[in-house]
Amino acid sequence: DAKTTQPPSMDCAEGRAANLPCNHSTISGNEYVYWYRQIHSQGPQYIIHGLKNNETNEMASLIITEDRKSSTLILPHATLRDTAVYYCIVRSLGGGNEKLTFGTGTRLTIIP
Amino acid sequence: NAGVTQTPKFQVLKTGQSMTLQCAQDMNHNSMYWYRQDPGMGLRLIYYSASEGTTDKGEVPNGYNVSRLNKREFSLRLESAAPSQTSVYFCASSQKGGGSPLHFGNGTRLTVT
Repeated sequence: DAKTTQPPSMDCAEGRAANLPCNHSTISGNEYVYWYRQIHSQGPQYIIHGLKNNETNEMASLIITEDRKSSTLILPHATLRDTAVYYCIVRSLGGGNEKLTFGTGTRLTIIP
Repeated sequence: NAGVTQTPKFQVLKTGQSMTLQCAQDMNHNSMYWYRQDPGMGLRLIYYSASEGTTDKGEVPNGYNVSRLNKREFSLRLESAAPSQTSVYFCASSQKGGGSPLHFGNGTRLTVT
């Protein structure tokens, strides 16, 4: 499985866009990029995923570089409720190897 | 829809005791997972089940056993609890394959004294 690298922590001012980077330089062609977040000690919450193209939903946007070796999660207008740990993971298309590992993520703090 | 339900929410065990953590999903998902999370760390995969009747080891399987009872239920058993197994345990489910997100339960907080 491809490994991911994220900065351990980031701050963002409330109302601004939060841009969270993820490096997945060993990603293979059949692997999706997923983003989850975990608020306090709750179960992780799914945010968005993509394969090649940029994606947007009601929560966030996902920008994947053309070579697919890195991606950025964008929270367009961060609120205090977005303070959480954000995890970037990769998952194979076929689901053959489901040993999904989450790493330590990025702790995002939204500052009032 | 309840999603993924875990029981119990909290548990305290003494060293050497056994217990089973229960997980059930009502989304008709094929795959189910057990993770543990220790303070300051990410989630580590204990076991997973890609489909009913199959299970496979994850990153940290030692000291645990699992049973995929049916498509809905996936239990995690600690035969002889140790203090090192103090953790928060999360169950998750998904459809098989890369295009399907994992859905997580709210966790079981286990303390072994």
